Amino acid sequence: AQSVTQPDIHITVSEGASLELRCNYSYGATPYLFWYVQSPGQGLQLLLKYFSGDTLVQGIKGFEAEFKRSQSSFNLRKPSVHWSDAAEYFCAVGARRDDKIIFGKGTRLHILP
Amino acid sequence: ETGVTQSPTHLIKTRGQQVTLRCSSQSGHNTVSWYQQALGQGPQFIFQYYREEENGRGNFPPRFSGLQFPNYSSELNVNALELDDSALYLCASSWGQGETEAFFGQGTRLTVV
Repeated sequence: AQSVTQPDIHITVSEGASLELRCNYSYGATPYLFWYVQSPGQGLQLLLKYFSGDTLVQGIKGFEAEFKRSQSSFNLRKPSVHWSDAAEYFCAVGARRDDKIIFGKGTRLHILP
Repeated sequence: ETGVTQSPTHLIKTRGQQVTLRCSSQSGHNTVSWYQQALGQGPQFIFQYYREEENGRGNFPPRFSGLQFPNYSSELNVNALELDDSALYLCASSWGQGETEAFFGQGTRLTVV
């Protein structure tokens, strides 16, 4: 079955600290992988995507993610978080010629001053 | 700004009523997908329209229906509203069938009372 697991419902980090959000997926085809961010009451903004090629992808706002096929993971990282990074983060998986994107349940990021 | 616009932004309906939500896709995109996001959950795929034809459907009952117009804008219609239909409805536009990433609108918050 196709699925995305984000094991951490909430994560709290101090401003300036590093961040890693975990994502594991189960997908039959070669996956396309995404990270989206959602501020309260807002739509989804694409942070970064992996379609093929280099397994370390850079995104907006200083985020990066690494695709590890052997671990079926696509973890999101940022070396130093800012208070404005507080939001909900969703990992998602799709595929070429597939009709849908499957989302995880999200990780809520809290930033301590 | 993704160029995907949804209307209205908020809506309150009574159980049993019908509702129509609208989405204008980003310029150059010919595919529109609709997602339902219940409170505290990740988005769930409702259906996708590609070049005015339904291209795929998630696990939603037939009272959820849609249209795509020649300009690639789209409508989501929900009949016989139930309390559990209260959610944020997100529209996403893309090019082709899973060829590119999807860009999301800000969503329509539907409350059924």
